[in-house]
Amino acid sequence: QVLLVQSGAEVKKPGASVKVSCKTSGYTFTTYYMHWVRQAPGQGLEWMGIINPTGGSTTYAKKFQGRVTVTRDTSTSTVYMELISLSSDDTAVYYCAREANMDVWGQGTTVTVSS
Amino acid sequence: DVVMTQSPLSLPVTLGQPASISCRSSQSLVDSDGDTYLNWFQQRPGQSPRRLIYKVFNRDSGVPDRFSGSGSGTDFTLKISRVEAEDVGVYYCMQGTHWYTFGQGTKLEI
Repeated sequence: QVLLVQSGAEVKKPGASVKVSCKTSGYTFTTYYMHWVRQAPGQGLEWMGIINPTGGSTTYAKKFQGRVTVTRDTSTSTVYMELISLSSDDTAVYYCAREANMDVWGQGTTVTVSS
Repeated sequence: DVVMTQSPLSLPVTLGQPASISCRSSQSLVDSDGDTYLNWFQQRPGQSPRRLIYKVFNRDSGVPDRFSGSGSGTDFTLKISRVEAEDVGVYYCMQGTHWYTFGQGTKLEI
C-alpha cells in the first residue's frame, strides 16, 4: 500500500520559515517524482514544485521561486518542502503528491502564519 | 502559463440525476509524446484530493463507473451518470502537459 505521511501542523510568525516533511512507503522511492501543492483556506489547489528523488533536481512554480526549496533524503524515503519569508498569505494546507499524474496524496499539513 | 477554466463553479444537483463539469485549457494539452495529461480530482470536505480520472478518460481503481471523463485538445468534461450523496465535494481538473495547473474547482452540492 502506497502511503505518504506528512509532518504535523505548524504555527509560524511572519518572516519565519517552515519545513514540512513527507515520508513515503509502499513503493520504490526513486521511481516517482514528488509534487508539492498548497491550498489556502476556502481556495483552490496551487502547484508549487516538483523533485526528482533520484538526482534531487527540482522545478518550482514561478510564484515560489526564491522562496521554496524541495529536498529529499533517499535513506529515509522522505521529501521535504521548505518555505521562507512567510507571510499571512502562506497560511494554507500543504500537500505532497506522487507523480504518475498525482495518483497518491499525503494527508496535508496545515501551516498557519500569524503574529 | 496554461490557464484552466472550469464551469460551472457551483453545481446544485438532485440525487440520481446526471451532472457534468466542463474544463477548458488556454492551449492544447496534447503532449509531444502523444498523450494528453488532463486529470480530474475529487476533494470531499475535510479530505485530501483524490484522483478520479487520469489522461482524460482513464478511471482510477476503486472509482465508481458512474464517473467518466472525455474530451480532447482544449475541451474536457467530467460526467457523473447518477449523482449519489457521497459525491458531494469540489472537483478539480488539472493539466500536466505544460508543467502543472489546476482549474478553479467546481463545488457539487445536493
